[in-house]
Amino acid sequence: NAGVMQNPRHLVRRRGQEARLRCSPMKGHSHVYWYRQLPEEGLKFMVYLQKENIIDESGMPKERFSAEFPKEGPSILRIQQVVRGDSAAYFCASSPLAPISPEGGNIQYFGAGTRLSVL
Amino acid sequence: AQSVAQPEDQVNVAEGNPLTVKCTYSVSGNPYLFWYVQYPNRGLQFLLKYITGDNLVKGSYGFEAEFNKSQTSFHLKKPSALVSDSALYFCAVRGFSGGYNKLIFGAGTRLAVHP
Repeated sequence: NAGVMQNPRHLVRRRGQEARLRCSPMKGHSHVYWYRQLPEEGLKFMVYLQKENIIDESGMPKERFSAEFPKEGPSILRIQQVVRGDSAAYFCASSPLAPISPEGGNIQYFGAGTRLSVL
Repeated sequence: AQSVAQPEDQVNVAEGNPLTVKCTYSVSGNPYLFWYVQYPNRGLQFLLKYITGDNLVKGSYGFEAEFNKSQTSFHLKKPSALVSDSALYFCAVRGFSGGYNKLIFGAGTRLAVHP
């Protein structure tokens, strides 16, 4: 059973370009979370998605950032017109249970992350 | 407000010595607490959790954590550190916002174990 797969592992973009980060959750997991880790900082929640639905995007910057989790295929975090401040590690996690359930949200399984560098 | 504090940016310990990585939390109701570890260029790996029951929980790689309700703490411990334990450790608490349970992470503590 493969773990959470993120690609690419490293992504280099110039200012103004678009970055697309992909995440395939563990098999059977339908709840996906994206986090951002700035250098020397902890993880900051960005967005929580279920299949075809954005449940909570309260941690997403208002502009240039979007996320989706289509019925088929991986979840995508998209950053348009990247700026230097977007340079960070972006982690995806998945869980098997809905976090609304009493036991849900207890453990999340993380991918290895995508390290975005904006030149 | 729901939050997690890891008061130490870095902990240094000699190999073979006991280690403690500190964590305090603030959450309403009974806390669900977690420790994750991040090795260089890797994602976070789950170490252990406290949901209910014994205050001392045992996890992976010989780590354990002690839940102390009166001090609202959940310190990570290991009796004898290994150089391979050197990594970034995150404490997390399950909070509830936006209508669902959410993991709230501390800023992380870097553990350096010296030979």
